[in-house]
Amino acid sequence: AQSVTQLDSQVPVFEEAPVELRCNYSSSVSVYLFWYVQYPNQGLQLLLKYLSGSTLVESINGFEAEFNKSQTSFHLRKPSVHISDTAEYFCAAKGYSGAGSYQLTFGKGTKLSVIP
Amino acid sequence: DGGITQSPKYLFRKEGQNVTLSCEQNLNHDAMYWYRQDPGQGLRLIYYSQIVNDFQKGDIAEGYSVSREKKESFPLTVTSAQKNPTAFYLCASSGSGGRFYEQYFGPGTRLTVT
Repeated sequence: AQSVTQLDSQVPVFEEAPVELRCNYSSSVSVYLFWYVQYPNQGLQLLLKYLSGSTLVESINGFEAEFNKSQTSFHLRKPSVHISDTAEYFCAAKGYSGAGSYQLTFGKGTKLSVIP
Repeated sequence: DGGITQSPKYLFRKEGQNVTLSCEQNLNHDAMYWYRQDPGQGLRLIYYSQIVNDFQKGDIAEGYSVSREKKESFPLTVTSAQKNPTAFYLCASSGSGGRFYEQYFGPGTRLTVT
């Protein structure tokens, strides 16, 4: 069974500092990777995804993530955070689960707190 | 605008009562999903449906039931058999055909059972 590990449950960081949210996945077959963001009492919004091609993917609000197959990682980074980035971030991996279907597995989330 | 609606946003029930959470989508997606979210636990899959009139159990289906009579709708019933029903419930949908489709989420329903 596939698993996704987010190594930090909480990450405090000062405004305008860089941040990295770590994500590792386990899969022996092709996998498709996603980062979602959740603001308090809201649903999840897709931040970025890796399906194939370039291993570096970017979002419209300055986040980027790099797919590293050898390390089975998909860490999320931002060079300078804003107060508005305070949220919970979920890494997810989609892999083949048999009978023609693909299952999406989520990590337990990382709460990013940006300190003014 | 296309999207997923969940109602109500907050729901309160007494223990022993069944309660049904609504999920509607106008994205023309074939697949729909229900997740439960608890603090520090991430998202856990309750049920999913890849096509009308068909649905499958997820990882934590016990105490829940669903129906999929229309493409747009996937209601979730939390039964009295669910031992710890208080949680945040999220509905999602996606295109079918497998790997390339991300899931889109509704705003969630927070259920409190006392």
